Amino acid sequence: DGGITQSPKYLFRKEGQNVTLSCEQNLNHDAMYWYRQDPGQGLRLIYYSQIVNDFQKGDIAEGYSVSREKKESFPLTVTSAQKNPTAFYLCASSIRVTSLLGGEQFFGPGTRLTVL
Amino acid sequence: GENVEQHPSTLSVQEGDSAVIKCTYSDSASNYFPWYKQELGKRPQLIIDIRSNVGEKKDQRIAVTLNKTAKHFSLHITETQPEDSAVYFCAAAAGKSTFGDGTTLTVKP
Repeated sequence: DGGITQSPKYLFRKEGQNVTLSCEQNLNHDAMYWYRQDPGQGLRLIYYSQIVNDFQKGDIAEGYSVSREKKESFPLTVTSAQKNPTAFYLCASSIRVTSLLGGEQFFGPGTRLTVL
Repeated sequence: GENVEQHPSTLSVQEGDSAVIKCTYSDSASNYFPWYKQELGKRPQLIIDIRSNVGEKKDQRIAVTLNKTAKHFSLHITETQPEDSAVYFCAAAAGKSTFGDGTTLTVKP
């Protein structure tokens, strides 16, 4: 299961603290994504990036921030403004996609964040 | 934006039976339709996908059909086995993907 990694696997945070989740890939993919997974709600897109130094908000971006300074890395910060941050977070990568060309996404193992 | 609905949310079958999961989408611009399988505690992995210029695709016991006119696509698993038990997600993409809410499939031995 190499190729895309996330750390840590489990993360505990006190209310009011920011926390950063790591995502690294060595697949030479241009596009990277962050999803939030809650029971019964599927995968909801938080942010995505098609190229270094560029990223777009997904469907539930409020309370989150990202950066894309390197092709291999796409860290996600969960800020104190996120009202319900306890969830399972999945990072994914793919070849660069366009409106005419979709592609398989490769997922990391996920980080389970719990706010205490 | 795109909206994907997936049914049923849970599905229980006997080993050897077939299982069918259905998805509908709203954006006629969507042209890529992948299906992912997520086993308990593991990451989602692609099991089959189909593009809008194809009506059906098969890979051993798994098949996907696409009806562009009706904007729906389905996953068919034949001769189910206990190891098919997992959560299955459909997605529709015109660029970025929008996922359905998932179907928990249980195959009883």
